[in-house]
Amino acid sequence: ETGVTQTPRHLVMGMTNKKSLKCEQHLGHNAMYWYKQSAKKPLELMFVYSLEERVENNSVPSRFSPECPNSSHLFLHLHTLQPEDSALYLCASSSQTTSGGTEQFFGPGTRLTVL
Amino acid sequence: GENVEQHPSTLSVQEGDSAVIKCTYSDSASNYFPWYKQELGKGPQLIIDIRSNVGEKKDQRIAVTLNKTAKHFSLHITETQPEDSAVYFCAAIKAGNMLTFGGGTRLMVKP
Repeated sequence: ETGVTQTPRHLVMGMTNKKSLKCEQHLGHNAMYWYKQSAKKPLELMFVYSLEERVENNSVPSRFSPECPNSSHLFLHLHTLQPEDSALYLCASSSQTTSGGTEQFFGPGTRLTVL
Repeated sequence: GENVEQHPSTLSVQEGDSAVIKCTYSDSASNYFPWYKQELGKGPQLIIDIRSNVGEKKDQRIAVTLNKTAKHFSLHITETQPEDSAVYFCAAIKAGNMLTFGGGTRLMVKP
C-alpha cells in the first residue's frame, strides 16, 4: 500500500467502550498528526509526533490518548467518549524540518459515532 | 499563535466561470501556504502550495497568489468544472511549527 492508511474507516461505539484508531504511513515521513474534523471546527489539530517530540493541543480531553510506537505508525486510543466526540478523525504525515513547513499527506479518515 | 481566516464559507458558480477563495493570516513569520481540496468521504489532498519567496504560482486551471505585506493569499480556479465541487482549505505554517487551517470553503459548480 502507498500513502497514508487508516483503520477502521467507520466506528460506532458506546460511551463506556474502549477502542483504538490506527494510522500507517508508507511515505518515509518523520512526523504524524491527528486531526478532528466536525461541523463546528473543520480541521482541529489534536496531536503531533514530530522529530521525536510530541506536541498536543491543550484543549483535547484526556479521554483521547495518542501513541506513536515508530515513525510509520500512529494510534489514537479512545475511552469513555461523549456523543460530542462524534466526528471524522484524520491522520496525516509529513517530512518535518526545522527550516520550513512542508506538505502534509492525509489519510481517508475514520468516521466515529459515539452513542 | 497563527490565525487563518478564510472567505467565503460557501461559493456557488456556474460551470466555466472562475472561482476565487481568499485567506488572511496573522503571523508574518509564516512562510508556507498550502491549499487542500477535500471531496466527500475522503481526506484533504494538496492541490497547490506557495512559499513566501514567491508572489504567484500556477498549475493549469489553478493559481495561488500571495501578498506578504497584506498577509493574505488567494486561490483562483478558472474554467470551473463540476468535478471541482468540494471543500477547499487554506493553511499557513512557519518553520518548525504546525499547520493552521482556515475554516474551509464549500465550492459548488453548477452544470
